[in-house]
Amino acid sequence: GIQVEQSPPDLILQEGANSTLRCNFSDSVNNLQWFHQNPWGQLINLFYIPSGTKQNGRLSATTVATERYSLLYISSSQTTDSGVYFCAVSASGGSYIPTFGRGTSLIVHP
Amino acid sequence: NAGVTQTPKFQVLKTGQSMTLQCAQDMNHEYMSWYRQDPGMGLRLIHYSVGAGITDQGEVPNGYNVSRSTTEDFPLRLLSAAPSQTSVYFCASSRLPGAHTIEQFFGPGTRLTVL
Repeated sequence: GIQVEQSPPDLILQEGANSTLRCNFSDSVNNLQWFHQNPWGQLINLFYIPSGTKQNGRLSATTVATERYSLLYISSSQTTDSGVYFCAVSASGGSYIPTFGRGTSLIVHP
Repeated sequence: NAGVTQTPKFQVLKTGQSMTLQCAQDMNHEYMSWYRQDPGMGLRLIHYSVGAGITDQGEVPNGYNVSRSTTEDFPLRLLSAAPSQTSVYFCASSRLPGAHTIEQFFGPGTRLTVL
């Protein structure tokens, strides 16, 4: 099945800093999503982005499907950005069941 | 739209008890699934369904049953609870490939403790 690797596994920032999270995948995909799991455990949809670039406030994401990676950018980080960020993908022409990466744990200090 | 709802939010069981975790969605999604999340293990797929009357096993199906009698509901049954089933359980739903979008939506989760 498709392999998903996220980096870095852990990230600690001061409030106001910028960061880039990466998701590499081993096959072509027809679905890629970024989720934020907040400290209360809720899984929140950030982006549905099988290709291209999207922006939502301080967050933006880019997927380069031909090179099999996606990037999540967080600018001017806030303490509320803390939590775990997951990437999930579904392989094109394969199982539509999403495969999740292990996540990037982000802590933003005030 | 309520999206994906799960009940209960918290549950404590004794070993050997049975219970059903409820999941419902109001987005007319064909695909529904159950995951469990344990510390350091990420999200692991338990069972999934692509429509009413159709279910299949995921990565960790042992000890769990599911059924899908309607498009909206996808309950997860623990037959005889064991401490190893202590976890947070998430239900999710989406359209199937071929739809405009197959974005997946998650419920708020059920935190289960088995003593």
